[in-house]
Amino acid sequence: NAGVMQNPRHLVRRRGQEARLRCSPMKGHSHVYWYRQLPEEGLKFMVYLQKENIIDESGMPKERFSAEFPKEGPSILRIQQVVRGDSAAYFCASSQWRGANQPQHFGDGTRLSIL
Amino acid sequence: TQLLEQSPQFLSIQEGENLTVYCNSSSVFSSLQWYRQEPGEGPVLLVTVVTGGEVKKLKRLTFQFGDARKDSSLHITAAQPGDTGLYLCAGADNNNDMRFGAGTRLTVKP
Repeated sequence: NAGVMQNPRHLVRRRGQEARLRCSPMKGHSHVYWYRQLPEEGLKFMVYLQKENIIDESGMPKERFSAEFPKEGPSILRIQQVVRGDSAAYFCASSQWRGANQPQHFGDGTRLSIL
Repeated sequence: TQLLEQSPQFLSIQEGENLTVYCNSSSVFSSLQWYRQEPGEGPVLLVTVVTGGEVKKLKRLTFQFGDARKDSSLHITAAQPGDTGLYLCAGADNNNDMRFGAGTRLTVKP
């Protein structure tokens, strides 16, 4: 499967724990985007990364959230000290190039539940 | 503030009916994309429209980009249960990054 792979598909954490969400982009894609989706809502942009660099993190909360896309390995979205309000589906997308016309290929998401 | 407004938010119709959903903004977009998302899955790109006034057809789906590149519509002819899903539009912001509307949730009943 050469598509965008996200894992885990489901993640349950207790309040105060850390959540790590992984995203392997499509082969040949160096641009990764993270989105958050609440039930019955659309996608909210969080962060855009290109290999080893954060390009735009304007949609990501300043506290507790961080993202990386190392030279080797998947992109990681990390949420520290999770709270109930962090419960959502987190989607990752990748594209070959940056630009308004570039199609974004999405993974099937990680559903994060906070107890 | 929502960059892109989609309407209606929910739409439930019978199989065989036609429907149109809308994506509107006060901003001009260099391009606009439509995605469909099914439960438990990620969005899948349907089409990208670039030129003002452009019309693209994908089988029973017709996409139109407004002349001023501020709005778009998706028309589905003879809807089928398989068309059920969340339809999202996305436009590029000033940083050339895509921003999504809240979507129209379509249910087509057999």
